[in-house]
Amino acid sequence: ETGVTQSPTHLIKTRGQQVTLRCSSQSGHNTVSWYQQALGQGPQFIFQYYREEENGRGNFPPRFSGLQFPNYSSELNVNALELDDSALYLCASRPPNTGELFFGEGSRLTVL
Amino acid sequence: KNEVEQSPQNLTAQEGEFITINCSYSVGISALHWLQQHPGGGIVSLFMLSSGKKKHGRLIATINIQEKHSSLHITASHPRDSAVYICAVSVPNQAGTALIFGKGTTLSVSS
Repeated sequence: ETGVTQSPTHLIKTRGQQVTLRCSSQSGHNTVSWYQQALGQGPQFIFQYYREEENGRGNFPPRFSGLQFPNYSSELNVNALELDDSALYLCASRPPNTGELFFGEGSRLTVL
Repeated sequence: KNEVEQSPQNLTAQEGEFITINCSYSVGISALHWLQQHPGGGIVSLFMLSSGKKKHGRLIATINIQEKHSSLHITASHPRDSAVYICAVSVPNQAGTALIFGKGTTLSVSS
């Protein structure tokens, strides 16, 4: 139990739709990062937020966007869904002054 | 070539065996993480290293910064150790910090 919760756990969308995934981190964890994990692959870094500002981004197009709220919870938004967006989306939170990551269980997105 | 390479890709062991998983990276890093992922997806952080060696129970992680190499060892392996083990490196960049992952090593321990 890492104290990081993600919702929804599973969802199905169709091409062209938009999706919002949510992540609630442990209290006081002011950094949150998001990852995409395709089946059989390692996770890929999407972006990271620190105190509501994006401070790191991987090689993902602008239709992947995010938000971090004052309570440090976070959202990942994906617009214009494509079939290849089907994956497990993981968030991880990090407390101040440490690099240790606490992962949620993930949201499994299927795009049809 | 991936910036983070793990070996072996798959590993099968008998209960009680000593396990070693290797990770090599080709970029400058601020830290290296060893992660464990069970079926269903949840990831647990095992170690974060920037130098030397760390031990937690039957798990030992080492890193050699000069050689850009890290190893994860499991002593007296047990079927409950069966999982995917992922090496990831924290890479400082202009936008902040990015995390680059290896593809994982799938470990299966039989009794």
